[in-house]
Order: sequence, then structure tokens, then C-alpha cells
Amino acid sequence: QQQVKQSPQSLIVQKGGISIINCAYENTAFDYFPWYQQFPGKGPALLIAIRPDVSEKKEGRFTISFNKSAKQFSLHIMDSQPGDSATYFCAVAQTGANNLFFGTGTRLTVIP
Amino acid sequence: GAGVSQSPSNKVTEKGKDVELRCDPISGHTALYWYRQSLGQGLEFLIYFQGNSAPDKSGLPSDRFSAERTGGSVSTLTIQRTQQEDSAVYLCASSLGGLAGASTDTQYFGPGTRLTVL
Repeated sequence: QQQVKQSPQSLIVQKGGISIINCAYENTAFDYFPWYQQFPGKGPALLIAIRPDVSEKKEGRFTISFNKSAKQFSLHIMDSQPGDSATYFCAVAQTGANNLFFGTGTRLTVIP
Repeated sequence: GAGVSQSPSNKVTEKGKDVELRCDPISGHTALYWYRQSLGQGLEFLIYFQGNSAPDKSGLPSDRFSAERTGGSVSTLTIQRTQQEDSAVYLCASSLGGLAGASTDTQYFGPGTRLTVL
């Protein structure tokens, strides 16, 4: 059973455009929502994470928007660059639990 | 090296053979995870080690899969009698851990071992 649903599966964006990836979950006990970035041949790396006490978190060109009532959160990449081309995974977790539950990933391609 | 290392980077084996995959976590990290990443899929949790506590094996898909962590550091994932459906990238991650449950720690991933079962 997938704990978090991620969309789209793939995304193509022009350089300078905005990339948006969405995730949805059901279990309201989740209280930690990270995004991981994975380049080919590498392991995923934490990009940005949010807790449900805020609705938005921004780090450079990367922003997480969080909608607690809708149980959805999204990653926005502003001014997308070819170097952002990678696979992005959202994840959910509950404080005190042992593991993260990952989405199925979004393969982002930024065209120069 | 400062990161998580895994070996081998690639492993090709024949159906029915046993394989061992190794993970060296970041020094000082008490929590260690194994995940499986199949083509086009997300990361599937397999097993979690925290210090000297009994591991959380709830994600292991069958009794052909086992893992151990020696001395609270290096971990080995063993797959017995491999099947073609075991073909995937096996990722190891470590985190600082500490208190019970490390799900909200930043996990640092190794580059993975790509396993191909012919």
C-alpha cells in the first residue's frame, strides 16, 4: 500500500520555467515531509523538508508548499536549470517511527 | 571518505545463487537503513538498524532476505536463492539516529548496488 502518491511520473520543463511536483497522503499522523533529489548512478540526497506547522518553506530556488487540510504537499523549482534534471522523490514520516515512506519519483528534464 | 559507501557497485548473478551486499555507513551514525529501488519505482524500505537494538525487519519481502550489522557499523544484506524479481538497485542509508525512531533524521544514501539476476 502506497503511503504517499506522487505525480507526475515525468516532467519536461524549459530552462527558466517552474517545475511543480505534487504528493498526497492519507495518514494524518505523518508530520515530516522531505524531498530527495537523485542523479543517475547516485543515491538520493535530501533537498528540503517541511513540518506541518508551516505552510511554506523556501530554500533558494526550491520551495515546499504544504496544505494540511488537503493532505497534499508540493515541490516548486523556480527558474529551473538543466542541472536540476534528476529524479525527485517525496517522502512522509511520523516522528518516533523507524522509516520514511517514499513516493514513486518524478523524472524531471530541464531543456536548455 | 565522508559518505556512505557500498560494494560492489554492480553484481550479476545467476538465479538460485546467494549474494551479499555490503554497506559502510558514515562514522558515528547509529541508524542504518536498507532500501530496494526497482526500475520506475520508489524506494522500498527493507530493514532498519538502530544501535544495538533488534532490527526492524518489517520490510523484508521474504525469508530469503536477511541482514546483519556487525559492531554497530558495517552492514551486510544477504539474498539467498536469488530470483529474477530480486533484480534492482539496493540502497543503504545512514543517519545520526539516537532516540527511538529515526524517521525524521536526514538520511545519507550510498550510491547503491545494482543487482542483476539472470
